[in-house]
Amino acid sequence: GAGVSQSPSNKVTEKGKDVELRCDPISGHTALYWYRQRLGQGLEFLIYFQGNSAPDKSGLPSDRFSAERTGESVSTLTIQRTQQEDSAVYLCASSLAPDRGSNQPQHFGDGTRLSIL
Amino acid sequence: AQTVTQSQPEMSVQEAETVTLSCTYDTSESDYYLFWYKQPPSRQMILVIRQEAYKQQNATENRFSVNFQKAAKSFSLKISDSQLGDAAMYFCAYKRGGATNKLIFGTGTLLAVQP
Repeated sequence: GAGVSQSPSNKVTEKGKDVELRCDPISGHTALYWYRQRLGQGLEFLIYFQGNSAPDKSGLPSDRFSAERTGESVSTLTIQRTQQEDSAVYLCASSLAPDRGSNQPQHFGDGTRLSIL
Repeated sequence: AQTVTQSQPEMSVQEAETVTLSCTYDTSESDYYLFWYKQPPSRQMILVIRQEAYKQQNATENRFSVNFQKAAKSFSLKISDSQLGDAAMYFCAYKRGGATNKLIFGTGTLLAVQP
């Protein structure tokens, strides 16, 4: 498809386990973002990639959270030693590079619903 | 720090009627952008409308329009001729101009459309 693809759609895991969430951006989109949405809340920014580098990772809540991006495509968000408060929907978005106009709209995937037992 | 506030957790509108969703924001920046996103139960965030802060004219997209009051830092969304498919969670979002491209979201307004 032509949209942002995220996998898995749902993930249930036990407290203390590590999880890896994947995001495939729209082809040609060099900018990629991860957001977290807790139940009944708005989206919280986690990290922003421009190409392979992450100029803004200010939203990562703790050192248990990390993300990487290979090439200008797939990104993975890893949460180590998961806690119950990590339960949320994790949304990925992509856009054209900001230097092509700072109002490039962000296109979102359907998210991964993470449930920590 | 920039903040976005949506003071209406839930709203309801009759089909074919008009509804207005409120949003206020706080920023000291002069260059920024404002957005309304729709999130149906499928979870995907869909861009409804956007407004550049330097533009005085209110943005319009078919049945959706905004009332942008820059001095008051208010950015409300008006949905005309509401349809059943408009039922969703609506989020107001702010983005600072320049290279930083992250969106700052409000807590959302759940809109119900009554047939």
